Formats: sequence, structure tokens, C-alpha cells
Amino acid sequence: AQKITQTQPGMFVQEKEAVTLDCTYDTSDQSYGLFWYKQPSSGEMIFLIYQGSYDEQNATEGRYSLNFQKARKSANLVISASQLGDSAMYFCAMREVWGGSNYKLTFGKGTLLTVNP
Amino acid sequence: NAGVTQTPKFRILKIGQSMTLQCAQDMNHNYMYWYRQDPGMGLKLIYYSVGAGITDKGEVPNGYNVSRSTTEDFPLRLELAAPSQTSVYFCASNWGGSYNEQFFGPGTRLTVL
Repeated sequence: AQKITQTQPGMFVQEKEAVTLDCTYDTSDQSYGLFWYKQPSSGEMIFLIYQGSYDEQNATEGRYSLNFQKARKSANLVISASQLGDSAMYFCAMREVWGGSNYKLTFGKGTLLTVNP
Repeated sequence: NAGVTQTPKFRILKIGQSMTLQCAQDMNHNYMYWYRQDPGMGLKLIYYSVGAGITDKGEVPNGYNVSRSTTEDFPLRLELAAPSQTSVYFCASNWGGSYNEQFFGPGTRLTVL
């Protein structure tokens, strides 16, 4: 079963509007972390935002915010005031225990966001 | 700081050839990782290392080997390349622990024909 599900293969948004990218996760751990990464067409992976499972407030980083709904196991990324440079692939990832006491990231399949002028 | 660097950027291999993908970081991170990204998919963990001399398998280790003789370097070795290893390979690093994001290199695009 997929541990990270991103149901939107592609999304379109008008410049200056807000957009929400969906992410649901599956874990039985009490302690976990959720990350969002941006991958522009140039290919590099850029860290955007992090939410810990015990964090009571939703994470925010500039125009990025994470809408964390723990009971629903969702961690949606909200981008406010979209810019043309936001056009990219966006990956949701979950930190989970691996190899006993270490951690790894499990990634979703990504959502391709296109910002229209 | 250069961050995480990877060489080469692109490579084409013939079936059965071998090669080493290089990865280096100058942030003194303990943890380093190798991922592969297949078309239309997220990243999958191949191998990771928690410090010099210590490596362990990830989700998809078959066909690869790693070594970590220094804190800075974490090369990935492909022996007997196969078409199924055509992918984009990312190296990443962080301090370890449970909260730090991973810093990624620019990736190596490998094609096996």
C-alpha cells in the first residue's frame, strides 16, 4: 500500500491566486515528519517546508503553508499568491523509521503545478 | 559552501558496463543517502550511510554498492549495468536525527542502452 498519496497528477493555477496540493499519508508511528519538496524542470530537489507530528500549529514558510490534519492523515501544501516561478513538480514525503533506529524519506509520486500568466 | 555535489551530470552506459557515481558534501553531515527517481515517480532509497565506515541498504539496493571512507564522500557503484537502472540518481545528506531536511545534490541522469 502506498504510504504517501498525491492524488493530483497535475494542477493549474492563475498567477497571484492560491493553490492547494493534496497529500495523504499512512503510518502507525506516533512520531513522524512530513516534508514538501519542489523539483523545477532543471531537476534539483528544493526543500520547502516541514511539519512534525507533534507540532500543534501548522507550519509556514513565506508563501508556503502546510495544512496539517492529523486525524485525517493529510498534509496539504498551500501556496499563496502563485508566481510563474512556482511552476514545478511538488513532492510530499514522510520521514519514517528505517533500519531500526535510522530514518528515511518516503516520497509520493508528485504533482505537476503549472502557473498560468 | 558548495553543498552536495554530484558527478557526472549525465552518462550513457552499455549493458554490462560498470561505473561509479560520485557524491561529495562539505557541510560535515553525518548522514548521506542515495536515491533513484524513475520517470513519473518519487524518489526511492538505494543505500544510506550514518557515518564514515557505516553503510546500509535502502529499499532498492540490488545492483548497487556503496562505500564511505570519509565523512565527505559517498560514491555509488553500479556493477553490470542493466536497462532497469536507467534513472536519475540523487545524493542527499543531513545531520541525521529526526527533524532535519535532507539537502540534495543536482542529480545524475543515467541511461543504460
